[in-house]
Amino acid sequence: GQNIDQPTEMTATEGAIVQINCTYQTSGFNGLFWYQQHAGEAPTFLSYNVLDGLEEKGRFSSFLSRSKGYSYLLLKELQMKDSASYLCAVLDSNYQLIWGAGTKLIIKP
Amino acid sequence: EADIYQTPRYLVIGTGKKITLECSQTMGHDKMYWYQQDPGMELHLIHYSYGVNSTEKGDLSSESTVSRIRTEHFPLTLESARPSHTSQYLCASSELTSDYNEQFFGPGTRLTVL
Repeated sequence: GQNIDQPTEMTATEGAIVQINCTYQTSGFNGLFWYQQHAGEAPTFLSYNVLDGLEEKGRFSSFLSRSKGYSYLLLKELQMKDSASYLCAVLDSNYQLIWGAGTKLIIKP
Repeated sequence: EADIYQTPRYLVIGTGKKITLECSQTMGHDKMYWYQQDPGMELHLIHYSYGVNSTEKGDLSSESTVSRIRTEHFPLTLESARPSHTSQYLCASSELTSDYNEQFFGPGTRLTVL
């Protein structure tokens, strides 16, 4: 079967750095996405990795290791507005997105 | 402005009723999707479409139908609503030819079946 694992919930302090991990087992791999979803809202795109390594975009970075089936999302200089769920999703061999349940990130002042 | 729209945003309805959730996009995308998401849970693919007259079933398709008569319109129909259908329904679209396949989401319809 196909499986994506993320921690259910994480807590961090405003101004700090947090790393959200994602491990996956899927039938094929055509890229990994990170989406942000605020409570009651639709997911919005954050990043896409298809090759190993780190992709940096402002305060957010995403890392991929295909051999380990592992990715992380790194958020720096945390702000209160970063409180949201972060969804990891893998594009499988049929180009369908397989979604993780998401990590709820709580930012404390 | 290019966008993706869903109506209604909220719907409360009785068991056994037939309902249609509307989704339209002005993104110019060929591929469209319907997802169901319960609070704190992963998105489950219900149906998707590659373009006009194309519809495919996802994981949770057995109790609903879709149609794709126009590129920009992808309605979802529940023939007989049940309390187990209470959930958030998200519509999304993406380019057909891009390997990148970034999906853009509508605001969602929150459905409650009494």
